[in-house]
Amino acid sequence: QVQLVDSGGGVVQPGRSLRLSCAASGFTFSNYGMHWVRQAPGKGLEWVALIWYDGSNEYYADSVKGRFIISRDNSKSTLYLQMNSLRADDTAMYYCARWAASYCSGATCYGGGNWLDPWGQGTLVTVSS
Amino acid sequence: QSVLTQPPSVSAAPGQKVTISCSGSSSNIGNNYVSWYQQLPGTAPKLLIYDNNKRPSGIPDRFSGSKSGTSATLGITGLQTGDEADYYCGTWDSSLSTVLFGGGTKLTVV
Repeated sequence: QVQLVDSGGGVVQPGRSLRLSCAASGFTFSNYGMHWVRQAPGKGLEWVALIWYDGSNEYYADSVKGRFIISRDNSKSTLYLQMNSLRADDTAMYYCARWAASYCSGATCYGGGNWLDPWGQGTLVTVSS
Repeated sequence: QSVLTQPPSVSAAPGQKVTISCSGSSSNIGNNYVSWYQQLPGTAPKLLIYDNNKRPSGIPDRFSGSKSGTSATLGITGLQTGDEADYYCGTWDSSLSTVLFGGGTKLTVV
């Protein structure tokens, strides 16, 4: 069945780095765009980053731009999030999610729609000294 | 402060109906499809509605979605205690090339 498994979270000191992984199975990973979404404790969902199906384009939320890097290895069906210069307000559960589309440009999505499904189970990142 | 605006909470009795609104702008909801996600306590979000009003397989027809202009609405009929969850709207923003979520609405069935 279609499945995403998030891993790599943990406790890290402010200013340090961490890399999250998302292992995909049950579908052709290279056909889909992928996202990272996070949720701070007791808060709502915050979109973090997206990467097109072929890795040719990436987009980031302003809150992480310049510090986080999203990437993918289609040969391993795995999505990554490299998080650098971590701050206390990066503390959150991080979810990967599959885009229904391969990519969206302007108001047009190609290969599918703009919804996210499925989602990984999440991996918790705690930034604390 | 989310770009998409949802009420923080709604409540209704078992068996009743509830609606959850999601308000945006022309660059997001106005020109893109809306999806809805259900997050049960302690679990990952799950797709509930996509393309404004379509239900994935396995989602009961008690759940419905609609869109008009720059607003969208999630409807739930025949409320059950198991529907108690946080509900989020989501869409694509064409001008920002970002995904947007509403702030979330906590549904209480009492």
